[in-house]
Amino acid sequence: EVQLVESGGGLVQPGESLRLSCAASGFTFNIYNMNWVRQAPGKGLEWVSYISDNSRTKYYADSVKGRFTVSRDNAKNSLYLQLNSLRDEDTAVYFCARVVETTHYIDSWGQGTLVTVSS
Amino acid sequence: DIQMTQSPSTLSASVGDRVTITCRASQNIAMWLAWYQQKPGKAPKLLIYKASILESGVPSRFSGSGSGTEFTLAISSLQPDDFATYYCQQYNAYWTFGQGTKVEIK
Repeated sequence: EVQLVESGGGLVQPGESLRLSCAASGFTFNIYNMNWVRQAPGKGLEWVSYISDNSRTKYYADSVKGRFTVSRDNAKNSLYLQLNSLRDEDTAVYFCARVVETTHYIDSWGQGTLVTVSS
Repeated sequence: DIQMTQSPSTLSASVGDRVTITCRASQNIAMWLAWYQQKPGKAPKLLIYKASILESGVPSRFSGSGSGTEFTLAISSLQPDDFATYYCQQYNAYWTFGQGTKVEIK
């Protein structure tokens, strides 16, 4: 069974940093591309970042480009998102999500971790 | 950037009703469209990919159609477990979601 478990969320002040983690199990992590998707309270889903299986390709939404960094450690079956220079509007539940090879739709999601940015 | 527009934003229906949700893309995305169901406090769940392919384990009352810029999700006979929010998502160029359609009890 595919399992994705996020952690690392919390309450931070504007301008601060946070690192989110996603532990993967139940599948061969190192052959899958991965996404981060977020959802602000009461709002819809917003794609945040993508990383390829070998970390060579990374994409970011314009809203986070230059502030967030995605990475992964295939030896640890783990995905990360470094959030810097956080803003109020970054407050959201952050989901890690598995991307199906070749076709690129998302087929599995973690339960999410809440990041709250507030002074 | 590709924009996705869903309609309606809210849909009131009764158990047993047939419901349809429309999703429009701002440019041609071929059949690179997925549909997800989300319940409060939970992660989204994949229902349909490549516009019309039912994900394994998803009830056959769900169906998807369309290509290019116009897509539809249909639920043939609404069940109590189907009251939720539904999102379309394009994956032709990066990933963009529609704003969601909340299906509520009439």
